[in-house]
Amino acid sequence: AQSVTQPDIHITVSEGASLELRCNYSYGATPYLFWYVQSPGQGLQLLLKYFSGDTLVQGIKGFEAEFKRSQSSFNLRKPSVHWSDAAEYFCAVVTFSGGYNKLIFGAGTRLAVHP
Amino acid sequence: NAGVTQTPKFQVLKTGQSMTLQCAQDMNHNSMYWYRQDPGMGLRLIYYSASEGTTDKGEVPNGYNVSRLNKREFSLRLESAAPSQTSVYFCASSESVDGDADTQYFGPGTRLTVL
Repeated sequence: AQSVTQPDIHITVSEGASLELRCNYSYGATPYLFWYVQSPGQGLQLLLKYFSGDTLVQGIKGFEAEFKRSQSSFNLRKPSVHWSDAAEYFCAVVTFSGGYNKLIFGAGTRLAVHP
Repeated sequence: NAGVTQTPKFQVLKTGQSMTLQCAQDMNHNSMYWYRQDPGMGLRLIYYSASEGTTDKGEVPNGYNVSRLNKREFSLRLESAAPSQTSVYFCASSESVDGDADTQYFGPGTRLTVL
């Protein structure tokens, strides 16, 4: 069955440090992959998505993600974290199941940023 | 554009009470979705509507009903609320359910507590 794993439940980084959030997926075909961010009390905002082509994808707020088929991974990165990046981050994969695009989410990684 | 809006933002119910969560989108999207978010479980699909006039079950439909009132609006009803339905509910919309991984856009959520 298709699944998304985010191995890190919580991550804490210092402001200005680099960040990498891990995401591994299980899907037989070419995956369509997303990263969403959820600030406290807010809905989910799309950060970036990968459908095909260049495996390094640029998103909003200075984030990027790299699709690595050999590792079934789609890790999210940012070179320098800002305090406003503190939020929960969700990786998701689209599967075509039962006649519709089914979005399968990972459990999320909560990011804390120390000043 | 307001995007996807949801009402109410917060709700407290007693076991056995009923209520309807409202969702509307102004992006002229064909497809709409209801998810619930529980700690450590990411988001799970309750129901979706591929187009106006159609609705289908997602992963966790038990205890819920939906109505696609028109193209803009998609409501979620709890007929007899149970404590297990305490959760945060998100509505989302996309161009379609079977396009090339059409991006889903999310509302701000409704935080529901059932006592």
